[in-house]
Amino acid sequence: ETGVTQSPTHLIKTRGQQVTLRCSSQSGHNTVSWYQQALGQGPQFIFQYYREEENGRGNFPPRFSGLQFPNYSSELNVNALELDDSALYLCASSLQQGARETQYFGPGTRLLVL
Amino acid sequence: QKEVEQDPGPLSVPEGAIVSLNCTYSNSAFQYFMWYRQYSRKGPELLMYTYSSGNKEDGRFTAQVDKSSKYISLFIRDSQPSDSATYLCAMSARGNNRLAFGKGNQVVVIP
Repeated sequence: ETGVTQSPTHLIKTRGQQVTLRCSSQSGHNTVSWYQQALGQGPQFIFQYYREEENGRGNFPPRFSGLQFPNYSSELNVNALELDDSALYLCASSLQQGARETQYFGPGTRLLVL
Repeated sequence: QKEVEQDPGPLSVPEGAIVSLNCTYSNSAFQYFMWYRQYSRKGPELLMYTYSSGNKEDGRFTAQVDKSSKYISLFIRDSQPSDSATYLCAMSARGNNRLAFGKGNQVVVIP
């Protein structure tokens, strides 16, 4: 087990709705990254938060936003859901120290948009 | 051209066989190379981590990186049914902790 938890495990929403996904990082990890994994694809980087500030963003529109809190928890918010947002959403926590950083993934939240 | 290419074709092997997986990449800045294993309905789990070119061995697993060819490989010796999973290659550049993943290979080890 990686010590990274995510909630909920599954979620069904309809197009146009908003959703909030939650992640609890390993204690002491100062960085959290979010990835979207469509069926049959590898994870795609959404963004990363380091010490509660956004620290890099992938090719995702602004309706994908996030927050990181001091208690090692974080959120991914998606507004105006589209059918293509259906995917497994993964968070990964890590400790940035020096050049090497190992990301530990949670089990993911499976989102279905109807 | 995608940054990371991994032929996603499923792979079925008999128990005890050697499994060979590979990825190619186009971004010369990548210096950190990883292999993750993902069981069904689970998050990816780090298997191997390699910095720059070379080989790394950990038990039945061997990771190889050839930066000159932009090619990485994972070998699994004496494969077991418990090795049945999807294997994802991932890489990142120095100073940029974004992981770029391949599509993944589904491996089935038949008892």
